[in-house]
Amino acid sequence: ELKVEQNPLFLSMQEGKNYTIYCNYSTTSDRLYWYRQDPGKSLESLFVLLSNGAVKQEGRLMASLDTKARLSTLHITAAVHDLSATYFCAVESNFGNEKLTFGTGTRLTIIP
Amino acid sequence: EAQVTQNPRYLITVTGKKLTVTCSQNMNHEYMSWYRQDPGLGLRQIYYSMNVEVTDKGDVPEGYKVSRKEKRNFPLILESPSPNQTSLYFCASSSPSGGTDTQYFGPGTRLTVL
Repeated sequence: ELKVEQNPLFLSMQEGKNYTIYCNYSTTSDRLYWYRQDPGKSLESLFVLLSNGAVKQEGRLMASLDTKARLSTLHITAAVHDLSATYFCAVESNFGNEKLTFGTGTRLTIIP
Repeated sequence: EAQVTQNPRYLITVTGKKLTVTCSQNMNHEYMSWYRQDPGLGLRQIYYSMNVEVTDKGDVPEGYKVSRKEKRNFPLILESPSPNQTSLYFCASSSPSGGTDTQYFGPGTRLTVL
């Protein structure tokens, strides 16, 4: 059974600081997704990581995937208040059925 | 505009009263899925469908039914709702041939079962 763990679960950080959210998963997979969810809203796709060593960047967010270590990171650079949200990683099983298993999410609060 | 729509967005009902939450996508996606989101548990898959007339159980299928008679629609049916099905429900769709395989999520349906 595929398990996905995120840490930390809660993160409060000051504007301008850097930090990293970690996503570990338990079985082999080559596809990992990062989503953002604002309070009361749906999930917005941020990154799709499809191979070992993949790195994607958008603005102050950068995601990477290490399939050998079964680890993905979401790095936040010089945080701004607009990045406050809950971030989820999700791992697709390798059985070709596109089933996603989600982590429990990291609630990020950026303090001015 | 490419989108996934769900109806209703909010629903309060009573135990045992059958209900259906509709989901529709306009992107011609083969794959559709239902998730429920509960505090501290993230999103858990209820059912998914790889194409018309092809459905399968996810991680938490008990108490739910689905059907996929048309490619664009994937309704979620609760035959006899119970309070433990109070949750936030999301429908999602994607296409294996779409390149990135990103799953697009609907706006969510907040269900309360009294």
